[in-house]
Amino acid sequence: RKEVEQDPGPFNVPEGATVAFNCTYSNSASQSFFWYRQDCRKEPKLLMSVYSSGNEDGRFTAQLNRASQYISLLIRDSKLSDSATYLCVVMVLEYGNKLVFGAGTILRVKS
Amino acid sequence: ETGVTQTPRHLVMGMTNKKSLKCEQHLGHNAMYWYKQSAKKPLELMFVYNFKEQTENNSVPSRFSPECPNSSHLFLHLHTLQPEDSALYLCASSQPGTMSSGNTIYFGEGSWLTVV
Repeated sequence: RKEVEQDPGPFNVPEGATVAFNCTYSNSASQSFFWYRQDCRKEPKLLMSVYSSGNEDGRFTAQLNRASQYISLLIRDSKLSDSATYLCVVMVLEYGNKLVFGAGTILRVKS
Repeated sequence: ETGVTQTPRHLVMGMTNKKSLKCEQHLGHNAMYWYKQSAKKPLELMFVYNFKEQTENNSVPSRFSPECPNSSHLFLHLHTLQPEDSALYLCASSQPGTMSSGNTIYFGEGSWLTVV
């Protein structure tokens, strides 16, 4: 079983749509959680951290469910510029606080 | 503009060549990393350096040899690579001990490596 699993997509959505991605992680010792964004042929960049109480940053909302070991990212009012690969990232305490990356979910927003 | 710069951005090398990838960070961090990203696969951590000391070698073949002369610079020396080593190699840096509090790592733009 992969440590961090994501639906690879692609998710093809029209502008203005709401889209949600889920990510599951296998290690219950996972401590911190993040969503990264990676544009085509570019480096990953932090989109947002995911807090236990859930958190929102503009059109982006992240949720954490520790009991079910999944993380979600909701994007409202999708823009063309949101097209990218979204990486779910987990930090596992027993691995010395190293980051474990999912393979990513591709989002394509079309006009 | 990224605080982590990598050179070269693109590299094509033969299986018998020796080449090096260079990474420099301007963020004052003390941890540096090499990651490998192959098509449709998750990022794979290769090496970790904390305060210039290697603290992690994730079972990487010896044809990849890292070097960290100081906290700001990191090299990846390449020798007798295989075609399956073709990938995007990403350097990253962070401040040790801060990631759990929400700080994170910063990536360079990557070096696209093709082994022919």
